[in-house]
Amino acid sequence: QITLKESGPALVKPTQTLTLTCTFSGFSLSTSGVGVAWIRQPPGKALEWFALIYWTDDKRYSPSLKTRVTIAKDTSKNQVVLTMTNMDPVDTATYYCAHGLGYDFWSGLTDWGQGILVTVSS
Amino acid sequence: SYELTQPPSVSVSPGQTATITCSGGKLVDKYACWYQLKPGQSPVLVIYQDRRRPSGIPERFSGSNSGNTATLTISGTQATDEADYYCQAWDSSTMVFGGGTKVTVL
Repeated sequence: QITLKESGPALVKPTQTLTLTCTFSGFSLSTSGVGVAWIRQPPGKALEWFALIYWTDDKRYSPSLKTRVTIAKDTSKNQVVLTMTNMDPVDTATYYCAHGLGYDFWSGLTDWGQGILVTVSS
Repeated sequence: SYELTQPPSVSVSPGQTATITCSGGKLVDKYACWYQLKPGQSPVLVIYQDRRRPSGIPERFSGSNSGNTATLTISGTQATDEADYYCQAWDSSTMVFGGGTKVTVL
């Protein structure tokens, strides 16, 4: 059984850096064909993908956020860490991590974390 | 940047068929996925590779992709199918989501 869980602060101030951790079980990012993505949903708005990392350590970022986002994996801890700099109130959203298989996730995103609501406010 | 366009809302009577479209340039050359999102829950994959259903997804969910439009069809819609539905595809090795469609079962 695959599980993922996001953790991090519920509240950050504008201009601060957000660090979120996705802790997972049931798969390993050292296994060929595995990847983890980050997706967010601002209140009342659509899902937005913005980062992913593959078992090869290959990384992809959304063009709109690539200057502010970094994704990294810690295979020994079964974690993926996301950092987002210069947070703004428009970054208020529920942040999800999700698991997929293969490059371009041919399987779709098959397993999702419960999500974490991050509010950006002074 | 690549965009996927969905109708904001679709209404359907119980037992009838709901059709949700997703339009994007040369979408037929890409694989489309569909996700169901209910309030307070995490997204659930209902279709991948245009028409494949993950295990556990009811047969009433089906998908197709032709030309510039991918389509999610819910046959015999049930009240439990009321949710937001998002299409997703890949462009230049980056993921793109559509704007979402709210399906209301009246």
